[in-house]
Amino acid sequence: DAGVIQSPRHEVTEMGQEVTLRCKPISGHDYLFWYRQTMMRGLELLIYFNNNVPIDDSGMPEDRFSAKMPNASFSTLKIQPSEPRDSAVYFCASKRDTQGGELFFGEGSRLTVL
Amino acid sequence: ILNVEQSPQSLHVQEGDSTNFTCSFPSSNFYALHWYRWETAKSPEALFVMTLNGDEKKKGRISATLNTKEGYSYLYIKGSQPEDSATYLCAFIMEYGNKLVFGAGTILRVKS
Repeated sequence: DAGVIQSPRHEVTEMGQEVTLRCKPISGHDYLFWYRQTMMRGLELLIYFNNNVPIDDSGMPEDRFSAKMPNASFSTLKIQPSEPRDSAVYFCASKRDTQGGELFFGEGSRLTVL
Repeated sequence: ILNVEQSPQSLHVQEGDSTNFTCSFPSSNFYALHWYRWETAKSPEALFVMTLNGDEKKKGRISATLNTKEGYSYLYIKGSQPEDSATYLCAFIMEYGNKLVFGAGTILRVKS
């Protein structure tokens, strides 16, 4: 079975540009999570969805960040406008609808904002 | 605000040494505690899912224990090997939730 698929793997952009990160969760997984990894804060939960509905977006840094899940097999995380401090690795992860079930992570999208 | 703390922040050991590290979490509203291994240039992979106080899990040379009453879990590696070098993360899940909050991780480097 294919794992969680993220794209792009690497993105370099200039400050002010819009960035869109994409994620395809594992088929049959009802939960999807977006995490950001930085040296300062480790793995930080941004938002998570259950059955395509956002459940908790309290970790989204500010209005420049938005996430959508239009269907069970696709999610996007958008940053507009991007800033240098947004540079990080963004991970998408999914899990089955069982409480306590393990997360399966994608390989991450490394974003660099110049 | 949930506080999940891991110690030490990093550890350097010689091949063959046994080692352990700690994850501390809130003792109230506990549902589950996960351990993940995160190798450089890869993504985190689950090692253990622990739900019951007193749980002990083992996978090869790696084992973990759980104390939910006092809010800690230990991860042990027996006879460390260079391939054990990775960041070890713990994640806490509150009761009735699916939100995983990660600690900052322990970086383990095993020298041959």
